[in-house]
Amino acid sequence: GEDVEQSLFLSVREGDSSVINCTYTDSSSTYLYWYKQEPGAGLQLLTYIFSNMDMKQDQRLTVLLNKKDKHLSLRIADTQTGDSAIYFCAESIHAGNMLTFGGGTRLMVKP
Amino acid sequence: EAGVAQSPRYKIIEKRQSVAFWCNPISGHATLYWYQQILGQGPKLLIQFQNNGVVDDSQLPKDRFSAERLKGVDSTLKIQPAKLEDSAVYLCASSLDVGQGSSPLHFGNGTRLTVT
Repeated sequence: GEDVEQSLFLSVREGDSSVINCTYTDSSSTYLYWYKQEPGAGLQLLTYIFSNMDMKQDQRLTVLLNKKDKHLSLRIADTQTGDSAIYFCAESIHAGNMLTFGGGTRLMVKP
Repeated sequence: EAGVAQSPRYKIIEKRQSVAFWCNPISGHATLYWYQQILGQGPKLLIQFQNNGVVDDSQLPKDRFSAERLKGVDSTLKIQPAKLEDSAVYLCASSLDVGQGSSPLHFGNGTRLTVT
């Protein structure tokens, strides 16, 4: 079955890089996403990557995909206190954008 | 563009009572989703609509949950009767078109339900 796993918690200092990791089980995933959720808010799409790519960069965000190991990571450069939130990775297997989410990684940025 | 609107923002009910949530998607978005997010977990899909038709409701507990999108725009999600384990945030999302993986989901801020 489909399963997406993430570590629960990550703490970094302001200005450092953050790397949030995700593993998934279904090799037929076509799109992989990173969402950010701040307290009391819905999910905000940060970035996504097609399964035929291995890297995507968007300003401070870099997504790496290792399809062989079914491993996805999100690197945030120069992490700021405003980046403190829960980050969810998600996969889309079926046409139609039905997403399966991981449990989320809480990122805490210390000043 | 206006985002996905949901109401109410919070709801507290006793078990065995009924509750309804409302969602207004982004204008022009054909696909609408309801997700359940239990505290400390990622969202789980309950139901997906394409216009006013159901695409997938395989994870909807149909003995107590129902949803409709009669005119292909707004949607309501109902729970009757509620159980303690239904306490969660109910998120509505919409996207421009089904079948387009690059068409991202836009989420509302959710309705936080507490069942006592």
